Amino acid sequence: DSGVTQTPKHLITATGQRVTLRCSPRSGDLSVYWYQQSLDQGLQFLIQYYNGEERAKGNILERFSAQQFPDLHSELNLSSLELGDSALYFCASSVALGDGGETQYFGPGTRLLVL
Amino acid sequence: AQSVAQPEDQVNVAEGNPLTVKCTYSVSGNPYLFWYVQYPNRGLQFLLKYITGDNLVKGSYGFEAEFNKSQTSFHLKKPSALVSDSALYFCAVRDGSNDYKLSFGAGTTVTVRA
Repeated sequence: DSGVTQTPKHLITATGQRVTLRCSPRSGDLSVYWYQQSLDQGLQFLIQYYNGEERAKGNILERFSAQQFPDLHSELNLSSLELGDSALYFCASSVALGDGGETQYFGPGTRLLVL
Repeated sequence: AQSVAQPEDQVNVAEGNPLTVKCTYSVSGNPYLFWYVQYPNRGLQFLLKYITGDNLVKGSYGFEAEFNKSQTSFHLKKPSALVSDSALYFCAVRDGSNDYKLSFGAGTTVTVRA
């Protein structure tokens, strides 16, 4: 158990809908990262927040947004969902900024199925 | 740009035999290299990392990895594989000069047969 928690574990929804994925980082970690894992794209970095502020952006669609709250938990919002958004979404956390040799610890993931 | 290649989609070994999972990387600055393992329906678990210093890094569950700068490789090894080592293994790299994100390889599925 990494100490990173994610809810819900599974989510089934329809195209065009909006969903929110939640992540609680390890105690004391200030950075939260979101990744998408799909069969065709592999594991893709979406976005990083550090202590409430957006730190780095990866291959995140405009339909997707995230935020980190004062208690350091984070939410990933996915809107106007398409079939291709079906994937496993991981949250990870690290102690500080996440550069250098800092380790990211991953949560169990949220499996999203868009029908 | 940073990238990672895992040339083998699958590795099959017999229990008790040595296990090697290959990884090569490309970065413009100093590399920070990581190995993660993913069991079915689970998240990624951190195994080990290379930052600097000794080229042989020891990690969890008896795994080790050797950093080779000239060959830009960071192969994961285990001297004696267990059936419970069957999983999906990911190599990841961070470029120390200009980026914060981790770039992951496509993953290698390891199957250890009894």
